[in-house]
Amino acid sequence: DVKVTQSSRYLVKRTGEKVFLECVQDMDHENMFWYRQDPGLGLRLIYFSYDVKMKEKGDIPEGYSVSREKKERFSLILESASTNQTSMYLCASRPTLTGYYGYTFGSGTRLTVV
Amino acid sequence: GDSVTQMEGPVTLSEEAFLTINCTYTATGYPSLFWYVQYPGEGLQLLLKATKADDKGSNKGFEATYRKETTSFHLEKGSVQVSDSAVYFCALTNTNAGKSTFGDGTTLTVKP
Repeated sequence: DVKVTQSSRYLVKRTGEKVFLECVQDMDHENMFWYRQDPGLGLRLIYFSYDVKMKEKGDIPEGYSVSREKKERFSLILESASTNQTSMYLCASRPTLTGYYGYTFGSGTRLTVV
Repeated sequence: GDSVTQMEGPVTLSEEAFLTINCTYTATGYPSLFWYVQYPGEGLQLLLKATKADDKGSNKGFEATYRKETTSFHLEKGSVQVSDSAVYFCALTNTNAGKSTFGDGTTLTVKP
């Protein structure tokens, strides 16, 4: 089975810190995604990447950046963490852009910014 | 743009009851349709999918049929168990669109 691993289940960071959320997939998938999930707001796409060094903005990219230097790893960066970025962050991967395939999600990182 | 509308929850059922969670969509072209399940404290897991009209996706006793004429993909299970308690998300992906569009999720609680 494809596995998507997020480096931390829980993180607590201070306002203004630079935060790195790491995601690794082990099945050579081309596409990787970062979502945030908030009560009442559902899943919102932050960024996605369809290939190494390629990235596309999602619906809410402000305050975030991403890095994909290797195919298996997709990092989400909070340049200067703020309390409104407290959320559950979900990483996902998919073999290709073709809509035929569903996502494989990681277990999520619950980030609290204090 | 594309959108997915799910029936609002929460839904509370007794064990062995019949489950239906409604999902309708708006999309251009011919999207693929998905149901995901999220157990407490976990990420989403793909439950089932259908990639063309009249296809039926099924897994773990859950079923959903891709109905293009009614733009629907309702999730059903004949006899729910306590272990089915979770949040269920309907989603679509348009061909080569890159990202999926998710519904807001429906919380299901099954009581013994």
